[in-house]
Amino acid sequence: AAGVIQSPRHLIKEKRETATLKCYPIPRHDTVYWYQQGPGQDPQFLISFYEKMQSDKGSIPDRFSAQQFSDYHSELNMSSLELGDSALYFCASSTRVNEQFFGPGTRLTVL
Amino acid sequence: AQKVTQAQTEISVVEKEDVTLDCVYETRDTTYYLFWYKQPPSGELVFLIRRNSFDEQNEISGRYSWNFQKSTSSFNFTITASQVVDSAVYFCALSEANTGNQFYFGTGTSLTVIP
Repeated sequence: AAGVIQSPRHLIKEKRETATLKCYPIPRHDTVYWYQQGPGQDPQFLISFYEKMQSDKGSIPDRFSAQQFSDYHSELNMSSLELGDSALYFCASSTRVNEQFFGPGTRLTVL
Repeated sequence: AQKVTQAQTEISVVEKEDVTLDCVYETRDTTYYLFWYKQPPSGELVFLIRRNSFDEQNEISGRYSWNFQKSTSSFNFTITASQVVDSAVYFCALSEANTGNQFYFGTGTSLTVIP
């Protein structure tokens, strides 16, 4: 069965650079969620989209933005990267309430 | 405030021992969902179980079992006859019907099974 695809799987950036993470949900899933998991921490909700519209916002920094496109894939754009942005970023998709399928994550390292 | 509490930060057991991972949650919603995920060193989140607030039946799946008790707001996870491959970080999570379905994760319990 198709799963959530995230790219890239690993990304290394310098401080103050920009990064774009991509998420391709499971086919026919209309909702995408983004989570950030710092080292040794639990995943924290950043933002979600339903039918290409932002539906909820969590602890997403102002330096980050995201959107969901017409094909339902989503991109998380991160600017002015800081060392503290180094984390595992998960995307999850769903088609109904409370059943999220997580992607493998993108590991971002900021040097 | 943390909606999901996993008081055990780290647990070590010897192979074949049983181990219970505790999870206590807090919510005012009457409709909510509870989850357990396993995160091995490779980093992915592996779905283990989902429970809704109206279903308090305990569940068993192979060596895994879950005890959901609304009276104590707990959703504990037991691994019977633990194996080395069970070594991972385990997260309990809560999703509420009235807060956009985002997941609230506990801080995780790191389980090490010693051969």
